[in-house]
Amino acid sequence: DAGVIQSPRHEVTEMGQEVTLRCKPISGHNSLFWYRQTMMRGLELLIYFNNNVPIDDSGMPEDRFSAKMPNASFSTLKIQPSEPRDSAVYFCASSLKGSGQGNYEQYFGPGTRLTVT
Amino acid sequence: SQQGEEDPQALSIQEGENATMNCSYKTSINNLQWYRQNSGRGLVHLILIRSNEREKHSGRLRVTLDTSKKSSSLLITASRAADTASYFCATAPIMSSGSARQLTFGSGTQLTVLP
Repeated sequence: DAGVIQSPRHEVTEMGQEVTLRCKPISGHNSLFWYRQTMMRGLELLIYFNNNVPIDDSGMPEDRFSAKMPNASFSTLKIQPSEPRDSAVYFCASSLKGSGQGNYEQYFGPGTRLTVT
Repeated sequence: SQQGEEDPQALSIQEGENATMNCSYKTSINNLQWYRQNSGRGLVHLILIRSNEREKHSGRLRVTLDTSKKSSSLLITASRAADTASYFCATAPIMSSGSARQLTFGSGTQLTVLP
């Protein structure tokens, strides 16, 4: 298995531009998570999906952030408009769902390093 | 604040020595997991210990869990330079409904193993 695939690996954009991050989870996994990692705030959960349905988006910082999962093998995280403070590494992870979200290990993608100038 | 907090924030040891990292958390949990992150990479799952377990081993890793003290430790024996990474604990807090919430990660311990 190729693992969780994220693209692009690096993104540099100017303030105000739209940014779209992509994720392909591991086949057979039915939970998908988007995280953001910064030195100041550590690893933060932004949103997660079960069976393609968003369950908890309370971690999404603002309305500028949106996430979709149109099918079991693809998800996007969009930032529009982007701001310098959005600069971070964004990780996608997937897992089996089981009886509770924390019951299974999560498999992380390599991340997308976003720089907004 | 973070559910899980690792201690120390940074640890530097010589190759061959043992490394011990600690994690404290605040609420009742379903399980606790440890992850490793190499520089510039994603997190990799190391081990999961359930709330009814006290100790678990995986290769050179030993994890303990003390639910009465709300703490866990990760011991890496006979460390190698390749063990240099950040180590995170992640907890699955139990909600009042009894179900487990998604994982909450601590801020990590940066381990450096010197050759």
